[in-house]
Amino acid sequence: ELKVEQNPLFLSMQEGKNYTIYCNYSTTSDRLYWYRQDPGKSLESLFVLLSNGAVKQEGRLMASLDTKARLSTLHITAAVHDLSATYFCAVDMVHGNKLVFGAGTILRVKS
Amino acid sequence: GAGVSQTPSNKVTEKGKYVELRCDPISGHTALYWYRQSLGQGPEFLIYFQGTGAADDSGLPNDRFFAVRPEGSVSTLKIQRTERGDSAVYLCASSPGGLPYGGQFFGPGTRLTVL
Repeated sequence: ELKVEQNPLFLSMQEGKNYTIYCNYSTTSDRLYWYRQDPGKSLESLFVLLSNGAVKQEGRLMASLDTKARLSTLHITAAVHDLSATYFCAVDMVHGNKLVFGAGTILRVKS
Repeated sequence: GAGVSQTPSNKVTEKGKYVELRCDPISGHTALYWYRQSLGQGPEFLIYFQGTGAADDSGLPNDRFFAVRPEGSVSTLKIQRTERGDSAVYLCASSPGGLPYGGQFFGPGTRLTVL
């Protein structure tokens, strides 16, 4: 059974600081997704990582995937208040069509 | 263009009642997914449709839950004899032809409360 673990589960940080959210998963997969969820809203796709070594960047967020280590990271650079949200990673089972989500990381950026 | 839409946005029902939740996927998307999200948790997979057929229903918790997609577009999730533990946000997602390339696009969800 595929398990996806995120850490930390809660992150409070000051504006302007850098931090990394980690996503570990338990079985082979080369497809990983990052989503953002604002309170009371649905999930917004941030990144789609489809191969080992994939790195994608959008604004202050950068995501990477290491399939050998079964690890993805979401790096936040110079955080701003607007990044406050819950961030989920999700892994696609090999040849499957369902996503298994982590528990989410609640990010609060303090002004 | 229009995204995934779900109705109703909120549903309050009493224990033991029957409910139907509707999902309209993005036009042209052949794959449709249902997830359930409890408070403070990530979404959990329920069922996946490719076209009209349920390709994977392994996430349905028991036989009180059933979903259909008769014409390969709109889908309805049906819950019989609702229980308080069914209270959650039910999310629908669609994708052009299943994974992997673009990921799944999520709707706003239906918040179900069973009293």
